[in-house]
Amino acid sequence: DTGVSQDPRHKITKRGQNVTFRCDPISEHNRLYWYRQTLGQGPEFLTYFQNEAQLEKSRLLSDRFSAERPKGSFSTLEIQRTEQGDSAMYLCASREVRNGNTIYFGEGSWLTVV
Amino acid sequence: EDQVTQSPEALRLQEGESSSLNCSYTVSGLRGLFWYRQDPGKGPEFLFTLYSAGEEKEKERLKATLTKKESFLHITAPKPEDSATYLCAVQENYGGATNKLIFGTGTLLAVQP
Repeated sequence: DTGVSQDPRHKITKRGQNVTFRCDPISEHNRLYWYRQTLGQGPEFLTYFQNEAQLEKSRLLSDRFSAERPKGSFSTLEIQRTEQGDSAMYLCASREVRNGNTIYFGEGSWLTVV
Repeated sequence: EDQVTQSPEALRLQEGESSSLNCSYTVSGLRGLFWYRQDPGKGPEFLFTLYSAGEEKEKERLKATLTKKESFLHITAPKPEDSATYLCAVQENYGGATNKLIFGTGTLLAVQP
């Protein structure tokens, strides 16, 4: 079990630039989630994949955000035309359906928009 | 709308001083209640899942309990390494496939030697 892996761990970008985060879930976990967390708050749900299908998107996910999970393996979260309000930690999590209900989180990707 | 409220927001304990963290929740039907530990700058680390009222789970100095309206995380004789933010989350049982977690804002625990 290598855990949920996220890359990059930290990203500083200028306002208006595009950024992309990658998530590699735990092997054989077919459910994948993206969350966003700001300082002093709990994680907030952004979107959910079952295999390659994106089944739910939060109202928090504006048109500037897009997530993909080609072939049901790794996932990417892209933010276009970043704004200072996008500064947060972006967390990826995965879950295996067959063997329990636990959702495991990665270490997160910190985004700072300057 | 599902709600999760954690209290206190912050708690400072002396090493060895036992205490409890509270998580109260409002959900249509509870599929599971989760406790996570989060260290600064890191992702949440899974601790426990509780599924039904009356259920209890233990891990080292931590014990989680569940009622129909709230959950408690009891910390017995804490050590400085127990210092972290403890997050509570609920998973609603509405028959959908997502089973996403709804988190509270956490309790920041500081244990002083």
